[in-house]
This record gives sequence, structure tokens and C-alpha cells, in this order.
Amino acid sequence: EIVLTQSPGTLSLSPGERATLSCRASQSVGSSYLAWYQQKPGQAPRLLILGGSSRAAGVPDRFSGSGSGTDFTLTISRLEPEDFAVYYCQQYGSSPPYTFGQGTKLEIK
Amino acid sequence: QVQLVQSGAELKKPGASVKVSCKASGYTFTDYGIIWVRQAPGQGLEWMGWTSANYGNTKFEQKFQGRLTMTTDTSTSTAYMELRSLRSDDTAVYYCARGGAAGDYWGQGSLVTVSS
Repeated sequence: EIVLTQSPGTLSLSPGERATLSCRASQSVGSSYLAWYQQKPGQAPRLLILGGSSRAAGVPDRFSGSGSGTDFTLTISRLEPEDFAVYYCQQYGSSPPYTFGQGTKLEIK
Repeated sequence: QVQLVQSGAELKKPGASVKVSCKASGYTFTDYGIIWVRQAPGQGLEWMGWTSANYGNTKFEQKFQGRLTMTTDTSTSTAYMELRSLRSDDTAVYYCARGGAAGDYWGQGSLVTVSS
């Protein structure tokens, strides 16, 4: 089973700042089968990034994904008030289970 | 627009079973699989399994093997997740999502509470 470790656990930033979230895998995630989700309290997760770097439909271009192998990054170029939420990465490249990271909470400073 | 609408909250006793439904609309149901993910109170996301919409193929998180059944009814575009032998640590919000492994559209979630 591939273990995903997200860092930091909590990130405190102000609107307008740049956010960089990390997701590290315990072994290579083949062909960048890595997704990022945003979840707000009381809501279902929302898919942001697929395949490591492809934005899902309707996702603003301030969200970008990068990385390969075992190290992946989600960058939010300029934070908007609605971006403060919990972010999860998920790998789906090897055999099941298609594990999630433990999440990074992005909070307003 | 794509929508997945799940069944309502359930309260179950330990040892019982629960069956959650997920009715899809706005797309061709048989073109996509359905994944099931759960989230215990205050915790992160846990991938449970995937089912194809029309061929009955499934993939499971091994910890649920023997307790989890995922089915679909193509005539009503509805997916079902049944979890048996419930324990208190099965208390969670259960989500369905459209996809093969990652989910691009999600249901609103179904709270299952297991308590005596």
C-alpha cells in the first residue's frame, strides 16, 4: 500500500499570498496518477487536479499541480477567501487501495 | 448537469448492515464507474472501493473484503454500497463519486452512525 504524507499539517496564510502544499508518496506513483481535492466543512470533496497537473473542469487557473514519482505539489498562486479549506492528495496509480493523504488545512492568518 | 444524490442518514446497531444508494443523473451511467469513500468524524478520507457501472467489476480496499458489496442498477442509474457486520468505528459519512479511481463528481454524503 502506498502511503501519502502531506505537509504541512496546517498552513496559515493571508488572502493574496501564495500557497504551496506538498504530498510525498512512500513509493513511486506511476505516470503521475495523483489527484488533489479541496474540502470545505460539511461539504463533499471537490476534485481540483487529476494526473498530477491537469485542472478539473471549472477549476480556476490559480490552482496548479506539479511533480512526479514520489513528490507532488499543489500551488495556489494568489489565495482568495474561498480557498481556505482542507486539501487532500490521492494516488491511483498502483493496485488498490487508492490511498489519500491525511490532509493539509489551509487557514486564514 | 452531473449529479449524484445519496440516500439519507442511517442509525444502525453493531452487527447490523447498512445499504447506501447513490442515484446518478446528467450523464450516461454506464460510461463511468463509481467509487466509494468514507470519512469518520473529524478524520480524513478513506477509499473503500470501486465498481464498474455495467460489468460488475469491482476493486476493494482489502480491509473491507468480506463485509463490503458494491452493486449497480443500470435501469435506474443507481449504485449501492452495502457494509455488513457494522462496528462503532464504521461511523462515518459515506460518499459515492463518479470515476475510475479518482472521483470527479461527488454525492452529498450519507451519515451512517453505528451505536447500541
